[in-house]
Order: sequence, then structure tokens, then C-alpha cells
Amino acid sequence: DGGITQSPKYLFRKEGQNVTLSCEQNLNHDAMYWYRQDPGQGLRLIYYSQIVNDFQKGDIAEGYSVSREKKESFPLTVTSAQKNPTAFYLCASSRGQGNSPLHFGNGTRLTVT
Amino acid sequence: LAKTTQPISMDSYEGQEVNITCSHNNIATNDYITWYQQFPSQGPRFIIQGYKTKVTNEVASLFIPADRKSSTLSLPRVSLSDTAVYYCLVGGYNKLIFGAGTRLAVHP
Repeated sequence: DGGITQSPKYLFRKEGQNVTLSCEQNLNHDAMYWYRQDPGQGLRLIYYSQIVNDFQKGDIAEGYSVSREKKESFPLTVTSAQKNPTAFYLCASSRGQGNSPLHFGNGTRLTVT
Repeated sequence: LAKTTQPISMDSYEGQEVNITCSHNNIATNDYITWYQQFPSQGPRFIIQGYKTKVTNEVASLFIPADRKSSTLSLPRVSLSDTAVYYCLVGGYNKLIFGAGTRLAVHP
């Protein structure tokens, strides 16, 4: 089955540590996205990438970094500069054309203490 | 960027039809309207998409009036498993903004 895999499902880190969240897709989609969701809130866009080796900041990119070295992979690093990193992180992909809908993974819940 | 407005929450009972309306007054000519469903601790799932008039698939219908300033997602005969948050989005693949969505609770 084609889809998006995010791992791990739950992640715990100490404050001050960087942590990398994995996102892999086998849908052959060109575009990939990272969203953050806080309790009871909608999704906010962190970064997106339309093609390999290129990515753009979303609305809340501060304290995060990404890379897109392969079409199928779009890892997100939550750095120690992110002031409130505890959240639910969602990765998505799309064909990257016009009105292409987003396909989401099942998320990683990050807790930083 | 087109902003959307939806009711924060709705309640319904099993077997009823549910209509969730979304307002998007600033929709651009090329924008499509897309609805997603999200269950707790899961990623949103695509439900339906449309540009104008009516679109129907196996799970829902989407009604879009001629001025395209609003849209209505219709869920026929809801069940308990339809309890979720529903998001209305307007725009292209690279400028999708998720609002807080509509929290639908279906009661027995």
C-alpha cells in the first residue's frame, strides 16, 4: 500500500536537545509538508518542499530545520531554539500541482521536558 | 490567502444528515475547496474537493453556490464513527491554511 510513514509515534526529549522526526512517502509525490498541531487547534505549516533539494518556510519555521535530499524523505529537526516544541507533528505529501489534495501520515507526538 | 470560517462545533444523532457550512469570502478564481476529516491522534484524511456546483462521492457531497463564497459539506446518515473534526480549506497545494475546523459529535 502507498502512504506516508512517520516515526516514531511518540518521542520524548529533554529540553535543550535537538530531535529529528522522520517522514517517508512511497506515493511518488513531488511535494512534502510539515505541520504542527497544538491541542484543540488547527494545523500550522512549518516547512514545505516542492522538489528535491528545495524547501520554503511556512508560517512558523523558527526553531525548525528540514532537508530534502531524496524525493521520498523529508525529515524535520526540532532544534533547541524552538521555545515550545511539545506538540503533534504531521507530515503530508501531494502531487504538488494545482489542487492536489494532501495525504497525511499519522503523526509524531513530541514531548519535551 | 483565502481565509475560511466554520462553526466551532456541531452535534447530531446517528442516522441524521449533517451539513457543515464554510465561509470563504476571499476565494480566488483558481482556488479549489477541499474538506478533510481528522480523528484524534491521526493525520487529516481527504474527504472531498470541488470547484463549483455539486460534487458527490461515496462518503459525502459538497455544495458550492455560484458565487463560491461559501460551501457546504453534507454527510448523509451519520454514525458514531463520523465523530471527528472537519476542516474546510481553500487554495492550491502550496498555500493551504487549516483553521480550527468544526468538531462534530454524533450521539447515539
